[in-house]
Amino acid sequence: QVQLQESGPGLVKPAETLSLTCTVSGDSIRSYYWSWIRQPPGRGLQWLAYISNSGNTNYNPSLKSRVTISVDTSKNQLSLKVNSVTAADTAVYYCARLGVAGSGPYYYYHLDVWGQGTAVTVSS
Amino acid sequence: DIQMTQSPSSLPASVGDRVTITCRASQNINIYLNWYQQKPGTAPKLLIYAASSLQGGVPSRFSGSGSGTDFTLTISSLQPEDFATYYCQQSYSAITFGQGTRLEIK
Repeated sequence: QVQLQESGPGLVKPAETLSLTCTVSGDSIRSYYWSWIRQPPGRGLQWLAYISNSGNTNYNPSLKSRVTISVDTSKNQLSLKVNSVTAADTAVYYCARLGVAGSGPYYYYHLDVWGQGTAVTVSS
Repeated sequence: DIQMTQSPSSLPASVGDRVTITCRASQNINIYLNWYQQKPGTAPKLLIYAASSLQGGVPSRFSGSGSGTDFTLTISSLQPEDFATYYCQQSYSAITFGQGTRLEIK
C-alpha cells in the first residue's frame, strides 16, 4: 500500500526559499504523476503543481514564477521549492498521487493518495 | 483558468438527511470532476472521481452526477461521520478546487 510522508522545516523566514520533500513508499515514483497542494489556516485547498512520470510539469499560474516541483527517482522522493516566501505562504502543504482512470483518449486524473501534510509558517 | 464554484458554502443537516452539494465549472469540463471529504486536522480523502465513479472503500451512500458544467454530490442518508468539509476539483485543465462546503450538524 502506497504511503506518502512530507518533511521540511516548520518555520521559514520571509524572502527565503521553502523546501519540502515527500517520500513515497510502497510504489515506484516513476509509475505515476505527483502533485503538491496547500491549505492556508482556516481556508480551502490550493493546487500548486504536478509532475508527470516523464518529468513534464504544470504549475498554478498564480504561483508559477516562484514554485518548482521535481522528482528524485533514486530516492523515490518528490520535492517542492517556493521562493521569496511571505506570510501568505503559511499553510499545511500536502503531497498527493495522481491516480488515473479511463483509456485513450480520455484519462481521468484524481488525487487518490495523500500525505498527512506538513505545516509551514513564514515568520521572522 | 477554470473556476469552480460550490454551493452552499455551509449546509446544516441532521443524521438521516439526504443532502446534495452542487459544483459549477466556469466552462465545460466533460466529466473531469472529483469530490473529496476533509475532516479537521486530516488530509482530504477521495470520494468520487470522473464525476460519478465511487472510489474503493467509500460507502455507497455517496454518489456523484453531472457533466459539462454542473455537478452534484449526494449523500443519501447522513451518518455522524459524514459531517466534514467537501471539495470538488476539476482535472480538465490543470487542477482547480472549489471553495468547499462545510456540512454541519443542525
